[in-house]
Amino acid sequence: EDQVTQSPEALRLQEGESSSLNCSYTVSGLRGLFWYRQDPGKGPEFLFTLYSAGEEKEKERLKATLTKKESFLHITAPKPEDSATYLCALSSGSARQLTFGSGTQLTVLP
Amino acid sequence: DADVTQTPRNRITKTGKRIMLECSQTKGHDRMYWYRQDPGLGLRLIYYSFDVKDINKGEISDGYSVSRQAQAKFSLSLESAIPNQTALYFCATSAVAASTDTQYFGPGTRLTVL
Repeated sequence: EDQVTQSPEALRLQEGESSSLNCSYTVSGLRGLFWYRQDPGKGPEFLFTLYSAGEEKEKERLKATLTKKESFLHITAPKPEDSATYLCALSSGSARQLTFGSGTQLTVLP
Repeated sequence: DADVTQTPRNRITKTGKRIMLECSQTKGHDRMYWYRQDPGLGLRLIYYSFDVKDINKGEISDGYSVSRQAQAKFSLSLESAIPNQTALYFCATSAVAASTDTQYFGPGTRLTVL
């Protein structure tokens, strides 16, 4: 059974204080590892898809990386508007469904 | 206009009532999904549909039913609502293209069952 575990559950940073969010996973036949951003009361917003170990993708202050066991979402010099819950998910096998982690709630203080 | 829309955005109902949540999309995707989100539990899949004639149960389908009226429309029904169905409900879509399983989400419906 596919499993996704995100840590920490919550993270508070000062503006400009870089950090990383972790997504560890167990899967049989990874098709893709996904990162989403979710603001309170809104739908998840797609950020990145990673397909194979060693792959990296960047968008503004965010960089996602992937190994065979985990993915990291690195946040460089965050701003208060980066505050949100970040969700990790994976797809595997023929069903092509997403299995989600429970998310990391990020708060960036001015 | 949003690619994936959900109606209603908020709904308060009473135990035992029948409720329908609707989802429409203009992305041209064949695949559609219904999830519920509860604090601390993440997103859990209720039902999914790969085309108009294909409906599949997800992880937590008990107490729910769905209807795929057209490629662009996918409805979720609670036949007899109960308080533990109080949650945020999201519709999502994805393309058939073999290279990606990326799903795109609607804005959600906040459902409260009293």
